[in-house]
Amino acid sequence: RKEVEQDPGPFNVPEGATVAFNCTYSNSASQSFFWYRQDCRKEPKLLMSVYSSGNEDGRFTAQLNRASQYISLLIRDSKLSDSATYLCVVEYSSASKIIFGSGTRLSIRP
Amino acid sequence: EAQVTQNPRYLITVTGKKLTVTCSQNMNHEYMSWYRQDPGLGLRQIYYSMNVEVTDKGDVPEGYKVSRKEKRNFPLILESPSPNQTSLYFCASSLLAGGLETQYFGPGTRLLVL
Repeated sequence: RKEVEQDPGPFNVPEGATVAFNCTYSNSASQSFFWYRQDCRKEPKLLMSVYSSGNEDGRFTAQLNRASQYISLLIRDSKLSDSATYLCVVEYSSASKIIFGSGTRLSIRP
Repeated sequence: EAQVTQNPRYLITVTGKKLTVTCSQNMNHEYMSWYRQDPGLGLRQIYYSMNVEVTDKGDVPEGYKVSRKEKRNFPLILESPSPNQTSLYFCASSLLAGGLETQYFGPGTRLLVL
């Protein structure tokens, strides 16, 4: 079983829709959680950190559920420019171990 | 401009021919790391470095070497490349270990080993 698992998708949704991804992790010692965005053939870029209390940045909301060991990303009012692969990242004890999920592909159609 | 640079960006080589991929950052970051990205497997950490002269193995270190003689540079060395090392490689740096919020990735190096 992978340490960090994501539904690979692709998710194909119309512009303006709300879409949510989940990511599960297996190691309860995980300390920090992040969502990255990666465009085709480009480097990953930090989208947002994920805090226990949940956090929101514009149309994006991230949630962490430590009891069930998953994190989620919600995108509201999706735009064509949101089309990308979204990577879930789990960091253990001061970056001694960083695990990336294999990513969820999102495609927004007009 | 704050950035992480990698060279070369694209490389085709043959099995057994030693190669080095350079990585340099201009942000005075302490933490640097190398990843490889393969379809269906996501990014996997190869090696990381918490500071000058301090390096450690990530998840997939076999077949790779690194060095950190200067803060800004963190080259990845493949002493004897094999076809299973064909991949997309990313270098990354962050201000401190545990500082993924400040992590920058380089543009990537596509390597094909024949």
